[in-house]
Amino acid sequence: GENVEQHPSTLSVQEGDSAVIKCTYSDSASNYFPWYKQELGKRPQLIIDIRSNVGEKKDQRIAVTLNKTAKHFSLHITETQPEDSAVYFCAALYSNYQLIWGAGTKLIIKP
Amino acid sequence: KAGVTQTPRYLIKTRGQQVTLSCSPISGHRSVSWYQQTPGQGLQFLFEYFSETQRNKGNFPGRFSGRQFSNSRSEMNVSTLELGDSALYLCASSTVATSEETQYFGPGTRLLVL
Repeated sequence: GENVEQHPSTLSVQEGDSAVIKCTYSDSASNYFPWYKQELGKRPQLIIDIRSNVGEKKDQRIAVTLNKTAKHFSLHITETQPEDSAVYFCAALYSNYQLIWGAGTKLIIKP
Repeated sequence: KAGVTQTPRYLIKTRGQQVTLSCSPISGHRSVSWYQQTPGQGLQFLFEYFSETQRNKGNFPGRFSGRQFSNSRSEMNVSTLELGDSALYLCASSTVATSEETQYFGPGTRLLVL
């Protein structure tokens, strides 16, 4: 069936350290995997996405990697800053054009 | 361009009542998706409309319904409200059906059912 599992549910890292959030998806997911960030009290916003024809994509301190064989993709944030504190959602696009979302990861940056 | 707007922003209802929420997408966007967000439950997909047609539907009971108008504005209706329907309801719009397109979220409507 269509399912996206996201881990961990909560991640606490020291400011300046790296954070990694991992999502796995079930069969039949399409070739589009976005990540959204939702700050407290705000709406989710796209921060990065990846398509299956590439294995990695970077945007400044944020990167996403995709392993199609293992059916997982990960968000990497380097040199974390206080403004990175938020809930992060991964999603996978399935063949019926429906985005299936992970349950979210609350990232806490400790000063 | 103006962003996605939702009305009302806050709503208090009692059990058994019904409620209608409205979402106005970004101009030119034809796809509108609705989500229910509760603490610890992430984003639960309700349904998606494209060109006035429901294209996808999540696993919610029939009390949850929606529609889309010719100007792409969308409404969501919940009948016979239950306490568990208390949540933040988000809509998101994109240019076409939810393919490889960014979804732009509205600020949400926070519904409290007493």
